[in-house]
Amino acid sequence: GAGVSQSPRYKVTKRGQDVALRCDPISGHVSLYWYRQALGQGPEFLTYFNYEAQQDKSGLPNDRFSAERPEGSISTLTIQRTEQRDSAMYRCASSSEVADEAFFGQGTRLTVV
Amino acid sequence: GQNIDQPTEMTATEGAIVQINCTYQTSGFNGLFWYQQHAGEAPTFLSYNVLDGLEEKGRFSSFLSRSKGYSYLLLKELQMKDSASYLCAVRGTGQNFVFGPGTRLSVLP
Repeated sequence: GAGVSQSPRYKVTKRGQDVALRCDPISGHVSLYWYRQALGQGPEFLTYFNYEAQQDKSGLPNDRFSAERPEGSISTLTIQRTEQRDSAMYRCASSSEVADEAFFGQGTRLTVV
Repeated sequence: GQNIDQPTEMTATEGAIVQINCTYQTSGFNGLFWYQQHAGEAPTFLSYNVLDGLEEKGRFSSFLSRSKGYSYLLLKELQMKDSASYLCAVRGTGQNFVFGPGTRLSVLP
């Protein structure tokens, strides 16, 4: 696609429910990153992929968070048994092999009530 | 560990020049990036330094000193639309981007 696309843009869920956030990177981009951003803060690294391989998941807060990118394109970030502290903007970014910068999607605003 | 530091807020006047500093301590280094983020929007790429020195791109310039773990973003001829957060990010040996807390710049008329 023309840019990084994330869905849904907004998600309200009840505490204890599972949520799946989707990221569709720029076509052909090898690397895909997930970040969480609190209001007024910089993006906080969660995990990243090269092709379908998860290279680093050290930023995932706990084992309720997981991510996959099974075919090396679309990625899903899953949060199980959501808690109120999981409320945040979740951002996805992608980058190519030949360029160095990462391009961000518009994010998914998650609210856990 | 990795640590990136930036001033929290800065204020400048329209037409002036402002310098936003960034210091970093990271395990490995594969480039320093500056992003601009307007309120409620996604970060957008501004500049990239991997070697020491100054990179100029229109009204925006970015400087890097790897030995000092230091970078700055210089914005010239400030415009009201430059009011935004400016994010410094370092790419380490792990290839992921680690972001600083961001500097919120307010441009006053």
